[in-house]
Amino acid sequence: EDQVTQSPEALRLQEGESSSLNCSYTVSGLRGLFWYRQDPGKGPEFLFTLYSAGEEKEKERLKATLTKKESFLHITAPKPEDSATYLCAVQAGSGGSNYKLTFGKGTLLTVNP
Amino acid sequence: DTGVSQDPRHKITKRGQNVTFRCDPISEHNRLYWYRQTLGQGPEFLTYFQNEAQLEKSRLLSDRFSAERPKGSFSTLEIQRTEQGDSAMYLCASSPWVTGEKLFFGSGTQLSVL
Repeated sequence: EDQVTQSPEALRLQEGESSSLNCSYTVSGLRGLFWYRQDPGKGPEFLFTLYSAGEEKEKERLKATLTKKESFLHITAPKPEDSATYLCAVQAGSGGSNYKLTFGKGTLLTVNP
Repeated sequence: DTGVSQDPRHKITKRGQNVTFRCDPISEHNRLYWYRQTLGQGPEFLTYFQNEAQLEKSRLLSDRFSAERPKGSFSTLEIQRTEQGDSAMYLCASSPWVTGEKLFFGSGTQLSVL
């Protein structure tokens, strides 16, 4: 069964203090690894898709990387508006469902001014 | 607003009652998903439609849950004989892609079963 584990569960940073969030996964043939952002009371918002080990993608202060066992979301010089829950999800490429995403529990990021 | 729309935003019901939620996906998206999310957890897959065909349903979904997508447009999710354990946020998402699941989520329906 596909599994996604995110750490830490919660992270509190000062504005400008860079850090990383971790997503460890086990999946039957990775088709894609996804990062989403979720604000309170809203649905998740897509950030990145990574398909193969070594791939990196960037968007503003966020950079996502992928290895064969885990992914990191690096946040450089965060601002208070980056405060949210960050969700990691995997899509299996072989065996079982090819449609569903399996999500982790998320990391609640708080950035203090 | 051309995003995914869900109605109602909040629903409070008594145990044993039936409830129905509606989802209007982005108009050109042929793929539609339902997920369920409880506090402190990530979204959990419930079911998937491609156009009007329901192609997958989670093994975790009991027979009290049913979903439809008539004519491949909007979708409804019905829960019969609700239980307190059904309390959760029910999220709808849509996607235009054949592969690569970049999903566009709605804001969800928060269900509270008393």
